[in-house]
Amino acid sequence: GAVVSQHPSWVICKSGTSVKIECRSLDFQATTMFWYRQFPKQSLMLMATSNEGSKATYEQGVEKDKFLINHASLTLSTLTVTSAHPEDSSFYICSARDLGLHNEQFFGPGTRLTVL
Amino acid sequence: EDQVTQSPEALRLQEGESSSLNCSYTVSGLRGLFWYRQDPGKGPEFLFTLYSAGEEKEKERLKATLTKKESFLHITAPKPEDSATYLCAVQAAPGNTGKLIFGQGTTLQVKP
Repeated sequence: GAVVSQHPSWVICKSGTSVKIECRSLDFQATTMFWYRQFPKQSLMLMATSNEGSKATYEQGVEKDKFLINHASLTLSTLTVTSAHPEDSSFYICSARDLGLHNEQFFGPGTRLTVL
Repeated sequence: EDQVTQSPEALRLQEGESSSLNCSYTVSGLRGLFWYRQDPGKGPEFLFTLYSAGEEKEKERLKATLTKKESFLHITAPKPEDSATYLCAVQAAPGNTGKLIFGQGTTLQVKP
């Protein structure tokens, strides 16, 4: 149990295009999902908290107009990187919180974004 | 300011050589402390959650313990497949936003 999936696992796009990443909780309902960014050999950096049915809460320094987050259902959150540039290239990871399992948080496998 | 510090940054062990990873934390209140394992190019894999000082949890060769200031991840007789980065994170109180504060991780290499 407690499986989180992400799609796609990797994506290569041209500068200026938008990319959508999906995060799904497969066997539990997640009222809260989180989006992280990870640079090589570094720890996870929280970008935003996504609550089902409400606007996402962004961390300081994260551009909300560039990283659009939608949490339309209890099992799906999406991150759209708008007008992507090479500096947006990174490993993006989502997590979902299972309130039924003592508040534990489970992570997806990550999405590798490369912007050319 | 809430903070999590892991040590050492990197650890090399011979197969069978037991050791411990440290996670020191400073938070106004602790809602939970989490250990994850991350393999290169993959998302973190959940290992343990600890909620109160004195609590211990075990899974195969791993044992996590918690005090009021730090947590240890003990690895007994490690095998090469235990090689990974181990991440510690805390969820601070008050509030229940679910936000995790991560340490920088300890990269473990176990040689056969």
